[in-house]
Amino acid sequence: EAGVTQSPTHLIKTRGQQATLRCSPISGHTSVYWYQQALGLGLQFLLWYDEGEERNRGNFPPRFSGRQFPNYSSELNVNALELEDSALYLCASSYSGADTQYFGPGTRLTVL
Amino acid sequence: AQKVTQAQTEISVVEKEDVTLDCVYETRDTTYYLFWYKQPPSGELVFLIRRNSFDEQNEISGRYSWNFQKSTSSFNFTITASQVVDSAVYFCALPNTDKLIFGTGTRLQVFP
Repeated sequence: EAGVTQSPTHLIKTRGQQATLRCSPISGHTSVYWYQQALGLGLQFLLWYDEGEERNRGNFPPRFSGRQFPNYSSELNVNALELEDSALYLCASSYSGADTQYFGPGTRLTVL
Repeated sequence: AQKVTQAQTEISVVEKEDVTLDCVYETRDTTYYLFWYKQPPSGELVFLIRRNSFDEQNEISGRYSWNFQKSTSSFNFTITASQVVDSAVYFCALPNTDKLIFGTGTRLQVFP
């Protein structure tokens, strides 16, 4: 069974640009989560999508947004990139909001 | 509020040594799950174990074992006969409704 996949692996942008990160969950999983792992800040919850709806978001500004498609894949958009947005962005999926979360390999975003 | 503390920032051992990673948690929930994840240098978070608060029996899986003690709010992880491939950052996590609250992680370095 294929695991969670994320693309791209690496992304380099400049300040002010927009970044789009993509995630495909494990087959059968309807929930997708996004986490940010920035240097020195640990793993922080960003967003949770389930059945196409945003169910919860962490303490991040509105320029972090996303969506979940009918096939349960998800996209994370970061607008007006700032240097401190440089981080590893991890996507996870689960059967439901209360189940074990399985993580993808991450997208490393570098903002110059 | 949910909180996870991993006081050990970094541990270095020589191959074949046993090593224990500590995790202390705080929760007001009467029933809850606890998780351990491994993050190798590649960046992906690998799920290791989920433990229900109802079950305080120790669990063993190969060289890995977990000691859950509700009385001290601890969920410690022991690797027996460590190997170089065990080198990674290990995270303990506690769900807060739908999202995971992670500890700051313990970096384990196993030297040959």
